[in-house]
Amino acid sequence: GNSVTQMEGPVTLSEEAFLTINCTYTATGYPSLFWYVQYPGEGLQLLLKATKADDKGSNKGFEATYRKETTSFHLEKGSVQVSDSAVYFCAPKGVRTSGSRLTFGEGTQLTVNP
Amino acid sequence: EAGVAQSPRYKIIEKRQSVAFWCNPISGHATLYWYQQILGQGPKLLIQFQNNGVVDDSQLPKDRFSAERLKGVDSTLKIQPAKLEDSAVYLCASSLAGSNYGYTFGSGTRLTVV
Repeated sequence: GNSVTQMEGPVTLSEEAFLTINCTYTATGYPSLFWYVQYPGEGLQLLLKATKADDKGSNKGFEATYRKETTSFHLEKGSVQVSDSAVYFCAPKGVRTSGSRLTFGEGTQLTVNP
Repeated sequence: EAGVAQSPRYKIIEKRQSVAFWCNPISGHATLYWYQQILGQGPKLLIQFQNNGVVDDSQLPKDRFSAERLKGVDSTLKIQPAKLEDSAVYLCASSLAGSNYGYTFGSGTRLTVV
């Protein structure tokens, strides 16, 4: 089955700092790749996705590029805000239609200070 | 479009009692998932439905957990009897079939077993 390894948290940054959260995965075939974000007390929200090699997903200033050769999908943002404080989850999704599912890592807690 | 609805939002029960959670997915989403998220961890898949059939329940503790999806729409997850270690957030998600589609999550039900 699929698995994912995320950069351990917690990560604490000052506002306007550059953010990188590393994510590597193992999967059968060529999965789609997702980043989800969980704000305090809320459910998970889709942040961005990429469905094939070299695709770049982007949303709200966050970006991640599907790197098949390194099986990675690192999340980046050039200038973080206090409102970005949340837990971020990287998740590959399998290719079999009937059994495709997201596999979540342990998440990376991000705290952005003013 | 309306999101994934879950109820109740919070539940506190004593160990050995039973509890049920309800989920109404997004209209037209054939696939429905129940995840368990223990505090500080990533979500763990309990069961996956495709329409009203079970696709994967390999990680569902079947001696105490059960789930059904009547008519391929709403779903109910039950725990009977509950244990202290069942304290967690139970997340329901739905999606279109296929690996390119992410999930839409509900807000979750926070269960505390005392």
